Amino acid sequence: DSGVTQTPKHLITATGQRVTLRCSPRSGDLSVYWYQQSLDQGLQFLIHYYNGEERAKGNILERFSAQQFPDLHSELNLSSLELGDSALYFCASSADGRLNYGYTFGSGTRLTVV
Amino acid sequence: QQQVKQSPQSLIVQKGGISIINCAYENTAFDYFPWYQQFPGKGPALLIAIRPDVSEKKEGRFTISFNKSAKQFSLHIMDSQPGDSATYFCAAISPMNTGFQKLVFGTGTRLLVSP
Repeated sequence: DSGVTQTPKHLITATGQRVTLRCSPRSGDLSVYWYQQSLDQGLQFLIHYYNGEERAKGNILERFSAQQFPDLHSELNLSSLELGDSALYFCASSADGRLNYGYTFGSGTRLTVV
Repeated sequence: QQQVKQSPQSLIVQKGGISIINCAYENTAFDYFPWYQQFPGKGPALLIAIRPDVSEKKEGRFTISFNKSAKQFSLHIMDSQPGDSATYFCAAISPMNTGFQKLVFGTGTRLLVSP
């Protein structure tokens, strides 16, 4: 167990729907990062939150949004889902934003859009 | 500029052999180069990492070789074992103008070590 908890583990939904993925970072970690892993694109950085504030955006679609709550858990919201959004979504946490000091991934949420 | 190119895409090695995975980058701002190991159904886990001012780092059977002038680095797995069968990602840490950092991943190498 990495200490980073992601729920749900699997999600199947229809095109056009909206889903929410949840991530609880390791105890004491202030930073949460979201990544999308698809077969043809590898691991793509989506967004980074630090202590409740958005710090950086990567290749995140406008249909996607995220937030980090006061208890430091984070949610990734995916809306108007398309078949191409099917992927593994990982979150990772670190004590601060300095990845050199440790960057731990959760086990991911597998999203299937049908 | 933000890419890390990784090869091969897949690799089959016999037990006891040496597995070699190569990566290349363009962005000289990258300042730390970790390797991640991912088993099916799990998230990537940090395996070993190297700074660009070091040419080699060894941890057990895993060695990173780093060539700063060529902007290339590689992972060598000595005495490869079936339990090493996993997907390996090279990565680079990119500083951002926010003062934070992000990981840029290679596309991954699926390693199969045959018994």
